[in-house]
Amino acid sequence: DTEVTQTPKHLVMGMTNKKSLKCEQHMGHRAMYWYKQKAKKPPELMFVYSYEKLSINESVPSRFSPECPNSSLLNLHLHALQPEDSALYLCASSPGDRASYEQYFGPGTRLTVT
Amino acid sequence: AQKVTQAQTEISVVEKEDVTLDCVYETRDTTYYLFWYKQPPSGELVFLIRRNSFDEQNEISGRYSWNFQKSTSSFNFTITASQVVDSAVYFCALKEEYGNKLVFGAGTILRVKS
Repeated sequence: DTEVTQTPKHLVMGMTNKKSLKCEQHMGHRAMYWYKQKAKKPPELMFVYSYEKLSINESVPSRFSPECPNSSLLNLHLHALQPEDSALYLCASSPGDRASYEQYFGPGTRLTVT
Repeated sequence: AQKVTQAQTEISVVEKEDVTLDCVYETRDTTYYLFWYKQPPSGELVFLIRRNSFDEQNEISGRYSWNFQKSTSSFNFTITASQVVDSAVYFCALKEEYGNKLVFGAGTILRVKS
């Protein structure tokens, strides 16, 4: 089973709202990732968790706050977002953080900030 | 610095035609990994293949084949007898041995018409 699930599929939020995106995998993977993808662009890495510890933060604004409660679950907490944050947010996982491992992606959450 | 170039922004073919998607990469590392992903309109990135820098053997999987040439820093992807279901955005990506960052090319939009 190579499935990564993400909820919700779609999210519309105002600039003053607080919301969370959820990602789950049951493949026993120990590395998890958040990507942001704007229309007609490739995914951009935001955060990497390796063995439940934040290992990479690609200078993401603090209005995005990641959390990894356990090895299967990854959250992205959103607060005071801007309209330019509207995008597809993709979660991915890999067996570990070795470069040779491929990443498996979820279907994404389409976020619209009004 | 690592870089992936997919010069073809968009390709349109008629069903049953063969099509090749080009990928050229740059890296200073001697050990690295190359990937191809497919992103259909639904949004999920689907892993297709991983190739190690020390393995130049070409690979065939059904209608898909990949040609890896270190001499020209290219990792091209050919779909034989294309089908409408092949319509998607295809991303080539690179990861260096001691980095945990997957660097994507800009993507190639493939449209297969019936």
